[in-house]
Amino acid sequence: LAKTTQPISMDSYEGQEVNITCSHNNIATNDYITWYQQFPSQGPRFIIQGYKTKVTNEVASLFIPADRKSSTLSLPRVSLSDTAVYYCLVGPRLNFGNEKLTFGTGTRLTIIP
Amino acid sequence: KAGVTQTPRYLIKTRGQQVTLSCSPISGHRSVSWYQQTPGQGLQFLFEYFSETQRNKGNFPGRFSGRQFSNSRSEMNVSTLELGDSALYLCASSLSGTAYEQYFGPGTRLTVT
Repeated sequence: LAKTTQPISMDSYEGQEVNITCSHNNIATNDYITWYQQFPSQGPRFIIQGYKTKVTNEVASLFIPADRKSSTLSLPRVSLSDTAVYYCLVGPRLNFGNEKLTFGTGTRLTIIP
Repeated sequence: KAGVTQTPRYLIKTRGQQVTLSCSPISGHRSVSWYQQTPGQGLQFLFEYFSETQRNKGNFPGRFSGRQFSNSRSEMNVSTLELGDSALYLCASSLSGTAYEQYFGPGTRLTVT
């Protein structure tokens, strides 16, 4: 399971675009990059997943450079409700029983009014 | 489609007792994983069940056990409770073989006194 490194915390003002970067230098060929969001006292929520280049959904965008050694989660025009912990995970998309989903410390994003 | 449900949502037990937590996955999901979340240790993987078989296990003592029924519902049991078992216990379900698109329930907040 590829180890990931992401900032412990970030602050941003409402209405701004927020970019959270995750480093995963030893990512394997069949690994995907997945981001989860967690609010206090709730379970993590799947946000987005990608393999290469750019993926966009109604919530966020995920940018992955050609070498795939890092990825950036982009949240457009954040609001106070985006205050949460964001986790980056790297691993194979298909689990045949030998993968333990491991969450790192995540990035605590605080949106300032 | 209904999400993952967990019961009970809150529980208070005393040291030495045992507890059983229940999880109902999203319809059609055959994989159920359990996690423990504490402020000090973060999110830690307990075990995963797939088609009634424990497929993977984290580094927790044998006091922590689980099972999965034929309808994919899962239960987790903790025997001889210790103060350190106080945590948010999260259940997540996913489609067959999909490790990184997991859908989490709201969790059960266990307090051991």
